[in-house]
Amino acid sequence: GAGVSQSPSNKVTEKGKDVELRCDPISGHTALYWYRQSLGQGLEFLIYFQGNSAPDKSGLPSDRFSAERTGGSVSTLTIQRTQQEDSAVYLCASSATLNTGELFFGEGSRLTVL
Amino acid sequence: GNSVTQMEGPVTLSEEAFLTINCTYTATGYPSLFWYVQYPGEGLQLLLKATKADDKGSNKGFEATYRKETTSFHLEKGSVQVSDSAVYFCALSGYGQNFVFGPGTRLSVLP
Repeated sequence: GAGVSQSPSNKVTEKGKDVELRCDPISGHTALYWYRQSLGQGLEFLIYFQGNSAPDKSGLPSDRFSAERTGGSVSTLTIQRTQQEDSAVYLCASSATLNTGELFFGEGSRLTVL
Repeated sequence: GNSVTQMEGPVTLSEEAFLTINCTYTATGYPSLFWYVQYPGEGLQLLLKATKADDKGSNKGFEATYRKETTSFHLEKGSVQVSDSAVYFCALSGYGQNFVFGPGTRLSVLP
């Protein structure tokens, strides 16, 4: 696609439910990143993928968070048993390369846990 | 590990004032350095970048020079406009490594 696409753009869920957030990167981009941005805060790194593998999962806040990427393209971030503190904007970005490549961000998925 | 520190905001300036937002980094090797900007209601976008020491990145009147000796990448603009009001993020990326972002600095420019 022309840019990084994320869905849903907004998600309201009840505490304890599971949610899935999807990211469709720019075609041909091998690197894909997930970040979280809480209200008025900076970017919190969650996980990145090089192809389908995730060399660095250190940013995932807890074992309720998981992510996968298939076919070197679409990625899904899953949050199980959501908590109110999970409320944030989840940002996806892709890059053609890992080192000097520019990150292209999606519009984000705003998650609200009631 | 790699890290980025940038000046705390918010920064409030009058139109046509000079802007400096400080950014320093800690990294192994020779990272690439970036400034990203997030305008109100919009996603993050690249403002400028530098990939090696002494490189100067520039865009939209903003400049930043990669200073390896001081591990800095300060953002400057000679005359800010109201339309520059945004949150600015300094970031770095090392070879084969993750992008690391600073906490962001909110800039408000008053007419």
